[in-house]
Amino acid sequence: RKEVEQDPGPFNVPEGATVAFNCTYSNSASQSFFWYRQDCRKEPKLLMSVYSSGNEDGRFTAQLNRASQYISLLIRDSKLSDSATYLCVVTPTGTASKLTFGTGTRLQVTL
Amino acid sequence: NAGVMQNPRHLVRRRGQEARLRCSPMKGHSHVYWYRQLPEEGLKFMVYLQKENIIDESGMPKERFSAEFPKEGPSILRIQQVVRGDSAAYFCASQYLNEAFFGQGTRLTVV
Repeated sequence: RKEVEQDPGPFNVPEGATVAFNCTYSNSASQSFFWYRQDCRKEPKLLMSVYSSGNEDGRFTAQLNRASQYISLLIRDSKLSDSATYLCVVTPTGTASKLTFGTGTRLQVTL
Repeated sequence: NAGVMQNPRHLVRRRGQEARLRCSPMKGHSHVYWYRQLPEEGLKFMVYLQKENIIDESGMPKERFSAEFPKEGPSILRIQQVVRGDSAAYFCASQYLNEAFFGQGTRLTVV
C-alpha cells in the first residue's frame, strides 16, 4: 500500500464549479499535512497546510480527519488558473522533515 | 533572488556517463533535501543533507547515486553510469517552518 494515495484524475470541470480532492495516508504517526500545487513541468509550491480543525484560504478549504487518516481539498468557484496537479503531502513529525508525496490529482478547468 | 537555485535546468547524458546536479539552498539555510520525480509519478525523497553531513539517505538507490554538501559551494547529487531509468526531474528543497521551497529542478534525460 502506498504511504499517500490520491485519485490521479484527471478531473475536468467547468469554470465556476466546485471540486473536491481526497487523499488517504497509511502512517498513523504522520503529524503534518499539506496540499502542494504543481504546474506542468514546474516545481511544487505550497498551497496550504491542513489542520485538524480545518482551514480555509479564499476559495480553498482543507480538512483533516485523523481517525480515518483522510485529507481533503475543496476548491470553490474554479478558475482556469486552478488547472494544475494537486499533491497531498504528509510528514512523520511536526518539525522540518522529509516530505512524503502522493502522486497527485490533475485538475483541468475549462471554459 | 534568495530562492533555491538548481543547475543545470536540463541535462542530457548518454548511457554510462556521469550526471552532476547542483543545488544551492535558500540564503541562510545550511540544509537541502533532494527529491526525484519520475514521469507520471509523485516526488520521492532521496536524501537530506546539512553542510558536510548526510542526515538521512534512506531514499537513495544503493548503487551509482551519491550526494554531498561541502562546507563551501552547492550541494551535488551525482549519478554514475546513468541508465535510461534515471531520466527524471530532480528537485532540491529548503525547508522553513515546515514549508518546503523547491528549486526549479533539473530534468535529466538519458539517451
